[in-house]
Amino acid sequence: EPEVTQTPSHQVTQMGQEVILRCVPISNHLYFYWYRQILGQKVEFLVSFYNNEISEKSEIFDDQFSVERPDGSNFTLKIRSTKLEDSAMYFCASTAWRGDEQYFGPGTRLTVT
Amino acid sequence: AQTVTQSQPEMSVQEAETVTLSCTYDTSESDYYLFWYKQPPSRQMILVIRQEAYKQQNATENRFSVNFQKAAKSFSLKISDSQLGDAAMYFCAYSNQGGSEKLVFGKGTKLTVNP
Repeated sequence: EPEVTQTPSHQVTQMGQEVILRCVPISNHLYFYWYRQILGQKVEFLVSFYNNEISEKSEIFDDQFSVERPDGSNFTLKIRSTKLEDSAMYFCASTAWRGDEQYFGPGTRLTVT
Repeated sequence: AQTVTQSQPEMSVQEAETVTLSCTYDTSESDYYLFWYKQPPSRQMILVIRQEAYKQQNATENRFSVNFQKAAKSFSLKISDSQLGDAAMYFCAYSNQGGSEKLVFGKGTKLTVNP
C-alpha cells in the first residue's frame, strides 16, 4: 500500500542552525501539508501546498519557514534559523483530492538544543 | 476561525466493552468534513473514520461508528468491542470544504483499554 515517507526520523540541531525536513508524498497525490505537534499538545497546521505554490499558511509559518517541491516527488520544509520552541514532531501529509483522507507520514522529531 | 473541542482528556474502557469519545466543533460553514484520527505510541496518525457534513447517515467502519449531530455541532466516536490495540490518542479534526482544506484538530483524548 502506498505510504508517505519522511526523513530523517529524528533530527537534533543547535539553535540558530538551518534544518530541512524531507517528505515523499504518495505519488498520485496533488495536495500537500505540513503539521507540527509539540510534545503533549495538539497537532497544528503549518502550511498547505498545491500546484507548486502555497495555498494557505498559519501564523506559525513565519519568514523562518519555507516549503519546496524541488523535483516532483520530494516535498521539503526548511526552517532557516531554528529556535528552542521549534522542537516538535513534524508531520507531512498528502491527499489526492481536497476533503479526502489526508495520509500522514511517520513524522520527523526535531530537537533544538 | 473554526475550533474543535474534545472535553475528555482521558478515557478508559474494559476490553470488549463500548466507549464513546466526545467532540464538538464550531463553524459558520455548512459544507465541511469531520474526521477521527488515531495516534498510537508510535505517533503515526491513522485515519479511523470520516464524515461528510452533507450526509445525514452516520459513518461506520467495522467496530467504529460516529454520532454526527449537525445542528448541535457534535461528532462523537463510538468504539464497540474494544481491543487492547485500540489504546491510543484519538484526535477529532475538522476540514472546510473549499480552500486548502487544512485539518483543524482538537486536543485529543487518551484512551486506555484495560484487560
